[in-house]
Formats: sequence, C-alpha cells, structure tokens
Amino acid sequence: EPEVTQTPSHQVTQMGQEVILRCVPISNHLYFYWYRQILGQKVEFLVSFYNNEISEKSEIFDDQFSVERPDGSNFTLKIRSTKLEDSAMYFCASRTGENYGYTFGSGTRLTVV
Amino acid sequence: KNEVEQSPQNLTAQEGEFITINCSYSVGISALHWLQQHPGGGIVSLFMLSSGKKKHGRLIATINIQEKHSSLHITASHPRDSAVYICAAIKMDSNYQLIWGAGTKLIIKP
Repeated sequence: EPEVTQTPSHQVTQMGQEVILRCVPISNHLYFYWYRQILGQKVEFLVSFYNNEISEKSEIFDDQFSVERPDGSNFTLKIRSTKLEDSAMYFCASRTGENYGYTFGSGTRLTVV
Repeated sequence: KNEVEQSPQNLTAQEGEFITINCSYSVGISALHWLQQHPGGGIVSLFMLSSGKKKHGRLIATINIQEKHSSLHITASHPRDSAVYICAAIKMDSNYQLIWGAGTKLIIKP
C-alpha cells in the first residue's frame, strides 16, 4: 500500500538553528498538509498546500515557517530559527482530492535544545 | 470551546471486553476520521465516515450526523489494541483541514 514517507524520524537541533523536515507524499496525491503535536497535547493544523502554493495556514504558521515542493515529489517544512516551543512531533499528510481520505506519514520528532 | 470532544480521556479494560470511545462535535462537518496513534507516535487512519456505519475486522465506527456524534467500538479487545484513538473532523467549508479531538488512551490488560 502506498505510504507517505517522512525523514528524519527524529531530529535534535540547537535553539536558533534552521531545520528542514522532509516528506514524500503519495505520488498521485494533490493536497499536502503539515500538522504538529506538542507532547501531551492535541494535534494542530499548520498548513495546507495545493497547486504549488499555500491554500490555508494556521496562526501557528508564522514567518518562521515555510513550505515548498521543490521537485514535484518532496514536500518540505522549514523552520528558520527554532525555539524551544517548536519541539513537537510533525506529521505530513496527503490526499488525492477525490474524497476526504487522508494518508499520514509516521512523523518527525523534533527536539529543540 | 473545543469543536471536537472525545470521551473518555483514558480507558483501561480487560482483554475481551467490548470498548466504546465517543466523539462529539459542535460544527458542521463533511466527514470524520478515526485514527490510531501508537506509542512511537505514528498515526494510522482507521475509518473515514460521512454517514452510517463502517466495520473493519473487530473495529466498528458509527456516525449520527443529526446528533453530531460518532463512536468507535472494539469487539473482543486485545492487548495489541492498546493505543491512543483520536477522532478528527473535516469542518464544512474549510480547506479540508482536520479538527482534532484530544484522543482516548486505551489500555487493554491481558
């Protein structure tokens, strides 16, 4: 069964450093999402992406965050200058657009020290 | 106010018991997902419902659109069912983003 692949599975970074989280969505999917889950809290929406542009973003997704799909397969989330509160599990997800079904990646656990 | 509420927050049961996890929502939705999250953190979609009932093995999900309520049932529960179960709704007129419940931590004891 097709999968959404996320790398790395775990990343530790120093506060203030830039991080790039990578996702390879399912090849025929058209809609892409990033969600995050701070330890012990609910999953939160960050951003949705369609047709090579952001379609919606949450209040969390401020100027420190950016997304891009540089080569038609990878979907990346960049955090420019990480803060301690960015420590969370980040999930990538994708959809075909033909229905409401989602496929999730296994997540990247980001730890900012 | 949370738009998606789950209950119970925690549930411990003996192997073989029938399990029910509830989800209620306060907004119009297009569909609702039930998801499973294991201790490692990965999320797996179990069901996506917009009406009625779906069954997959020992798992059953139902939704009542009029009452804005959904349930996930596990029959003949097994220790390997231990996980966090989350309901997440696609809000109507949104960009298909998911609004998440807080999750129910289920522990099945042998």
